[in-house]
Amino acid sequence: ETGVTQTPRHLVMGMTNKKSLKCEQHLGHNAMYWYKQSAKKPLELMFVYSLEERVENNSVPSRFSPECPNSSHLFLHLHTLQPEDSALYLCASSQESGGGAAPYEQYFGPGTRLTVT
Amino acid sequence: KQEVTQIPAALSVPEGENLVLNCSFTDSAIYNLQWFRQDPGKGLTSLLLIQSSQREQTSGRLNASLDKSSGRSTLYIAASQPGDSATYLCARGGAAGNKLTFGGGTRVLVKP
Repeated sequence: ETGVTQTPRHLVMGMTNKKSLKCEQHLGHNAMYWYKQSAKKPLELMFVYSLEERVENNSVPSRFSPECPNSSHLFLHLHTLQPEDSALYLCASSQESGGGAAPYEQYFGPGTRLTVT
Repeated sequence: KQEVTQIPAALSVPEGENLVLNCSFTDSAIYNLQWFRQDPGKGLTSLLLIQSSQREQTSGRLNASLDKSSGRSTLYIAASQPGDSATYLCARGGAAGNKLTFGGGTRVLVKP
């Protein structure tokens, strides 16, 4: 248990559906991240939120829409996805600076396995 | 383009043998280097983090080294056990520290 939870753990959705992935961190961190892990490709950073502001959008299509209402919660809203968006979506958190933990050490959740049909 | 490479992609060793996992990166202006373990279908577990000012980090049977000049990091796992079977990922933290670039991972199988 890393202190980062993700729901749901598995999601199957059609291309016309709208769904959301949720991430919650219980570590008191101030930065949160979304990553995508596809088969046979390295983990790709999608979005970074620092102090609840988006500081990185790594050329992600607009059908993925992140939301960070506070430093403990992160959402990824999905709409009109494509089959190639099927992947494991991982959330992570870290402390930007200071604190007791090593700065920028990232802690990951268990992921949401998304299948787009 | 910043790249992180892990070779080999897969490794099989008998129980008790020491494991040596390699990670190379193209940009020496790194902030940190982090090693993770991933079990099938699961998230990532952080193993070791080496700051750019450090040469190595140790935790139990694990030791990770960092050589910025050659663009390499090595993860050593002593006296491997079947429970060490997993995929091991290295990730380079860029100048801002919080943007990790991942390698493709090395899938390790330790045979009893």
